[in-house]
Amino acid sequence: NAGVTQTPKFQVLKTGQSMTLQCAQDMNHNSMYWYRQDPGMGLRLIYYSASEGTTDKGEVPNGYNVSRLNKREFSLRLESAAPSQTSVYFCASTEGPQGYEQYFGPGTRLTVT
Amino acid sequence: AQSVTQPDIHITVSEGASLELRCNYSYGATPYLFWYVQSPGQGLQLLLKYFSGDTLVQGIKGFEAEFKRSQSSFNLRKPSVHWSDAAEYFCAMDSSYKLIFGSGTRLLVRP
Repeated sequence: NAGVTQTPKFQVLKTGQSMTLQCAQDMNHNSMYWYRQDPGMGLRLIYYSASEGTTDKGEVPNGYNVSRLNKREFSLRLESAAPSQTSVYFCASTEGPQGYEQYFGPGTRLTVT
Repeated sequence: AQSVTQPDIHITVSEGASLELRCNYSYGATPYLFWYVQSPGQGLQLLLKYFSGDTLVQGIKGFEAEFKRSQSSFNLRKPSVHWSDAAEYFCAMDSSYKLIFGSGTRLLVRP
């Protein structure tokens, strides 16, 4: 099993450009998450999908959109990138809504200039 | 509001010394608690978790953590640190479909 995979690993964007971060899991998990990690701030939840067909905002959703394409895939879109979105983005998945371990992907390092 | 606090940003220990990383939480009921480790350039890996029952939980890589309800704490310990333990450690709390993370503690290990 590959676990949670993310593409791309690195990306540089100019302000105003758009892009989509891809995430896929092969563990048949129901719930999937997008986090951003910034120095000294831990991980902050952007959006999550508790089950296929549902998505909800997390702590820092502004400037992002998500799509739960199917049970395996959960994408994060930046419509008009801003320097404040420079960060490391992690996707995670878990078996159930509560009390289960979250499995993390390797991350995408995004720089917006 | 629910929150997780890791009061130490950095901790430096000598190889072979013992380690304790602090974590405090704010939650009305008994939470589900986790410790994750992140090596440089990597994603997060679960070290251990507490759901209920025995308040001392064992994890991977020789780590353990103790849940203390009276102190709202879930501190991570290891009796003898190895150089490979140098990483960033995150305490997290389950909050209804979501994990709330502390800001992390970076562990440096002196040879």
